[in-house]
Amino acid sequence: DVKVTQSSRYLVKRTGEKVFLECVQDMDHENMFWYRQDPGLGLRLIYFSYDVKMKEKGDIPEGYSVSREKKERFSLILESASTNQTSMYLCASRPRLATSTDTQYFGPGTRLTVL
Amino acid sequence: ILNVEQSPQSLHVQEGDSTNFTCSFPSSNFYALHWYRWETAKSPEALFVMTLNGDEKKKGRISATLNTKEGYSYLYIKGSQPEDSATYLCASDNFGNEKLTFGTGTRLTIIP
Repeated sequence: DVKVTQSSRYLVKRTGEKVFLECVQDMDHENMFWYRQDPGLGLRLIYFSYDVKMKEKGDIPEGYSVSREKKERFSLILESASTNQTSMYLCASRPRLATSTDTQYFGPGTRLTVL
Repeated sequence: ILNVEQSPQSLHVQEGDSTNFTCSFPSSNFYALHWYRWETAKSPEALFVMTLNGDEKKKGRISATLNTKEGYSYLYIKGSQPEDSATYLCASDNFGNEKLTFGTGTRLTIIP
């Protein structure tokens, strides 16, 4: 059974705090993704990584960084959390050089509130 | 940024009725179209991945069609049940570059 896990389901942080969101997958996938989901805006890609230590900016990378030291783990970092980063964060993974029918597998999400 | 649009944004359907909703996506450099079901407090779950124009896929009471020339896909649910209540997301894979562009979703509520 494929699995993508995220370190927390709910997280409350204060403005200015450094926040780490962790994601682990057990499918040996090369590609990993971080999205945020906001009402009316759908899933927006923040960053993705196609290999260890490799990363690419998505559509909304501002205010975020990422770390991929091991293949199975992809971390999203908010260097200084702000209230506009309050959102649902979803991690996903997919094989590299995916065939056209390979889907993405998602984690359960982390609902982050920044006060 | 590619534009993937879904309509309607939300939908209430009586139990037992059938329903459908739409995903429109850029037809240029099309590679694949993904449908996901996202139930509250769970991970989005893949329903279908479709690649060929005219393709139709089916999973139980749920089916989907694809028109790549005009850039749209329909998702159909026959005889809606309460467990069908979820947000349905579509995502376009253009260029085959491994990034998906998601629509905003259709939130479906089945009324018992």
